[in-house]
Formats: sequence, C-alpha cells, structure tokens
Amino acid sequence: DTAVSQTPKYLVTQMGNDKSIKCEQNLGHDTMYWYKQDSKKFLKIMFSYNNKELIINETVPNRFSPKSPDKAHLNLHINSLELGDSAVYFCASSQEGSGANVLTFGAGSRLTVL
Amino acid sequence: QKEVEQNSGPLSVPEGAIASLNCTYSDRGSQSFFWYRQYSGKSPELIMFIYSNGDKEDGRFTAQLNKASQYVSLLIRDSQPSDSATYLCAVHNDMRFGAGTRLTVKP
Repeated sequence: DTAVSQTPKYLVTQMGNDKSIKCEQNLGHDTMYWYKQDSKKFLKIMFSYNNKELIINETVPNRFSPKSPDKAHLNLHINSLELGDSAVYFCASSQEGSGANVLTFGAGSRLTVL
Repeated sequence: QKEVEQNSGPLSVPEGAIASLNCTYSDRGSQSFFWYRQYSGKSPELIMFIYSNGDKEDGRFTAQLNKASQYVSLLIRDSQPSDSATYLCAVHNDMRFGAGTRLTVKP
C-alpha cells in the first residue's frame, strides 16, 4: 500500500487555468507538507499542516491555497496558473514528537503550464 | 531568513573513494538534521538523521554534527555508482532543505 499518494502524477494545462493536486497519507501521521521543486532541483517548503491547522506558510503567491479536510489529506489548489508555476510538487508527511520528524514523500506531481 | 546552505557541487568521485557532503544552517535553535537522497525523477528518501553533536554511523554512511559551528556533513565510504544522486540536507524545526549536492560516482 502506498504510504503517501498524490494525484494526478502529471498535469499539463494552460496559463490562467485553475487546478488542484490531492494528497493522502495512510501512515497515521499528524503533519503534512507541500514542497515545490523547480527545474534547478531546489526543494522549497510551501505549507505545513498539523492536525488540520496551518503551521508553516511560506512566502508563496496567494494564488496557492492549501486545504486540509482531515489530518490524512492535504490538497493544493492553484488559481490563475502562470508559467513559473511549472514544477514538481511533492506532498510529504511526518509524525510530530516522534523524536526525528522524518518526512515520507509522495511520488510527486509534475505540473506543466503552457 | 533561515538558511540551509550546501556545497554547490556537482561532486564527482571515483568508485571506492570517500564522498564528503557539507551543509551549514543559520538557525541556532534547530534541533534535528537530516540527509535525504534523491535519484533523478524520484522523490527524496531518508538516508539518516542526527540530533546530537558528534558522529553517527550507519553502514557506509556517517553523519557529523557540530552545533557550535552550525555545520552538518555526510560521508559516504566506499562510494558506489549506485550512490550517484542528489543529496539534500534538511533542518528541523521547519523542515527546510538546502539546494542539494549532485554526486556522481565514476566506475
């Protein structure tokens, strides 16, 4: 069974469109994250939720809106897509207070904006 | 602004050599430090973590932490071609990553 699953794996869309990426984890972790990895491979944290509460909100355009309906799900909605949004988006989860907070990553969702 | 810096690379070593990867961080309150490996087209996977000063060994990998110097490193002994990947340093409390160092091990 996949521990952290993201859908879709690939997404190709036009500038100006709105799209969503979904993430689910079955590890029982209480913290979930979204990272963006650009073409230079820099992995930048965007958001983090702990038990549905937003705890990290990096400086990202407000076109990006995370939503956590429960602690096993963290979705990312992007409005008015721009060329610079093209990247691989990784979802991850961890368990706070476990001593190490090891991240488990999903397989990534490659977004291409044309 | 909290920063995590890694030696720029790319790094190339011959098979069997020791590969040394370095990372510095700016937040003195950081508690835990992680090394992840990412193969091309794949997601990052944990190699090891460290939170006490000194060395921590796991097989061919050794992590070294010096909190006074705000420095963490990863040594890979007896490097193999299968170790060729990008190595990412990450720092808790906010799970921020460095830019990564691309390692190539040549047969």
